[in-house]
Amino acid sequence: NAGVTQTPKFRVLKTGQSMTLLCAQDMNHEYMYWYRQDPGMGLRLIHYSVGEGTTAKGEVPDGYNVSRLKKQNFLLGLESAAPSQTSVYFCASSYETSGSLWGYEQYFGPGTRLTVT
Amino acid sequence: GDSVTQMEGPVTLSEEAFLTINCTYTATGYPSLFWYVQYPGEGLQLLLKATKADDKGSNKGFEATYRKETTSFHLEKGSVQVSDSAVYFCALNRGGSEKLVFGKGTKLTVNP
Repeated sequence: NAGVTQTPKFRVLKTGQSMTLLCAQDMNHEYMYWYRQDPGMGLRLIHYSVGEGTTAKGEVPDGYNVSRLKKQNFLLGLESAAPSQTSVYFCASSYETSGSLWGYEQYFGPGTRLTVT
Repeated sequence: GDSVTQMEGPVTLSEEAFLTINCTYTATGYPSLFWYVQYPGEGLQLLLKATKADDKGSNKGFEATYRKETTSFHLEKGSVQVSDSAVYFCALNRGGSEKLVFGKGTKLTVNP
């Protein structure tokens, strides 16, 4: 089991460029998430998905788009990168939580460090 | 809404010292509680969890007890090592919710 993998590990973009971050999981998890981590801000949820073909906005969705065409993959897109999007991006996945009496933990990927100049 | 408050860092300790990182939460119902650890340059890993009141989660010498009466889930370790240097995140998940709610993280540095 590779768990949760992220591609690429590092990327430098110029303002206005676009890119897509790929997240893949091999645990057959229903739920997938994209977070960004900035100094002093902890983790903030960008978008998430509760199943193939579904997506939902998190806490800081502006400037990002996502797609979940296959259950195992969750893509995060930046259409026109801005310096404020310089951050470390983490993908996570979990088992389905709806209907559960207790929550399930999330499994995290290693992160993508993005710099926008 | 749900929230997690954990002590501000950074925390600097000498090897073999006792560690406490405080975490309190606000949530409706009976959330599950988690501690995650992030080693330098890596993603978050689950350290321990507790799913109901009075449960004690433990792993790698770390412990935390789910205290419903004080809405707390403090992380403790009796004797820290240099290899414990990391950022620690407290988090909660309300049953049936898709999301984890994280604290802002506490950076721990352990000196030899």
